[in-house]
Amino acid sequence: DTEVTQTPKHLVMGMTNKKSLKCEQHMGHRAMYWYKQKAKKPPELMFVYSYEKLSINESVPSRFSPECPNSSLLNLHLHALQPEDSALYLCASSQQGGYQPQHFGDGTRLSIL
Amino acid sequence: GQQLNQSPQSMFIQEGEDVSMNCTSSSIFNTWLWYKQDPGEGPVLLIALYKAGELTSNGRLTAQFGITRKDSFLNISASIPSDVGIYFCAGRATGGGADGLTFGKGTHLIIQP
Repeated sequence: DTEVTQTPKHLVMGMTNKKSLKCEQHMGHRAMYWYKQKAKKPPELMFVYSYEKLSINESVPSRFSPECPNSSLLNLHLHALQPEDSALYLCASSQQGGYQPQHFGDGTRLSIL
Repeated sequence: GQQLNQSPQSMFIQEGEDVSMNCTSSSIFNTWLWYKQDPGEGPVLLIALYKAGELTSNGRLTAQFGITRKDSFLNISASIPSDVGIYFCAGRATGGGADGLTFGKGTHLIIQP
């Protein structure tokens, strides 16, 4: 079982809806990440949080809004998404510093109607 | 941005055969990671490599960090049905801090009975 928990597992939403994806880890990791993965493609980095502060934004459209309320939680707020945003959204976490590997959750499968 | 060239793209093998896949990059990486992803799940870390020339095993899996720091390979010995899935190499160019991973395009392993 993965130690990074993502909810919901599946989400279907219309282009005018507002929804949020949630990620939780209790491994004491201080770095958390959002990745987007299209079918049969590798994960692509979206955001990096380090000590609850946004450190990397890979030029992601503003309709995706990340939030890190505390060291265990990471949210991704969604608003006015487009059909091409349909994908698997993966959360990962790692120890801060050094060359620590990232551990992934099982993702949220998002479908935009 | 950085790119990883992963090959082969897919492999059709018989149960019991050995498997070999590799990743190359035009730039240096400080960390090489190998992940496996099953349908409907997130990537699971198999092996992490941190030093040039390092050879690391995890059961039937063996991976090496290339001396030039621009390549890595993963071998699987005596394949079994549960080895089916997509294998991704991932690299991290910097040390310390929190940085996203660059992924290869994946090797889809299919085992024929």
